[in-house]
Amino acid sequence: DAKTTQPNSMESNEEEPVHLPCNHSTISGTDYIHWYRQLPSQGPEYVIHGLTSNVNNRMASLAIAEDRKSSTLILHRATLRDAAVYYCTFSGSARQLTFGSGTQLTVLP
Amino acid sequence: EAGVAQSPRYKIIEKRQSVAFWCNPISGHATLYWYQQILGQGPKLLIQFQNNGVVDDSQLPKDRFSAERLKGVDSTLKIQPAKLEDSAVYLCASSRGMGGSGKNIQYFGAGTRLSVL
Repeated sequence: DAKTTQPNSMESNEEEPVHLPCNHSTISGTDYIHWYRQLPSQGPEYVIHGLTSNVNNRMASLAIAEDRKSSTLILHRATLRDAAVYYCTFSGSARQLTFGSGTQLTVLP
Repeated sequence: EAGVAQSPRYKIIEKRQSVAFWCNPISGHATLYWYQQILGQGPKLLIQFQNNGVVDDSQLPKDRFSAERLKGVDSTLKIQPAKLEDSAVYLCASSRGMGGSGKNIQYFGAGTRLSVL
């Protein structure tokens, strides 16, 4: 089963960087790591994905550990609109994304 | 491009009644997913279609849930009869290809919030 471990909740101040950690010790060498986020009353929204190298896009950066058993989603400057549940996931042997309970990010003004 | 459309947004029914949800994926997306999201939990995959064929329905309670994707486009998810524990948000998502390839991003609809009384 594709299991990830994330903190239940985190807080950040507005305009400060946020580092959201995720452990995925059962990941295989060909599984991509995906991050999604879910704003209140909306469906999940894709944030970023990666395999081995660190990745950047307009929303965030993804830092992947050398052994690939953990990763960190980095929001460079958190805004109030970034308050959401962030899910780290990857496709395991079932070849689908399995979502855990995620991390509830609270951004303080 | 238009996103994933779902309807209705909200539905309230009594237990033992039946209900149906509709999903229109993003145009050209071959893979369609239905998820169940119980309050406080992450989405749980119920069924995955590739075009109009079922790829995985291992977590679909087949005694009461059914889903179809006729012509490989729109999809409906039905519950008959509903139980109290079916109260949840039902999310539809689509992707260009198979979700397991690692590179296929899933796009989600806003979901249907079902309350079973």
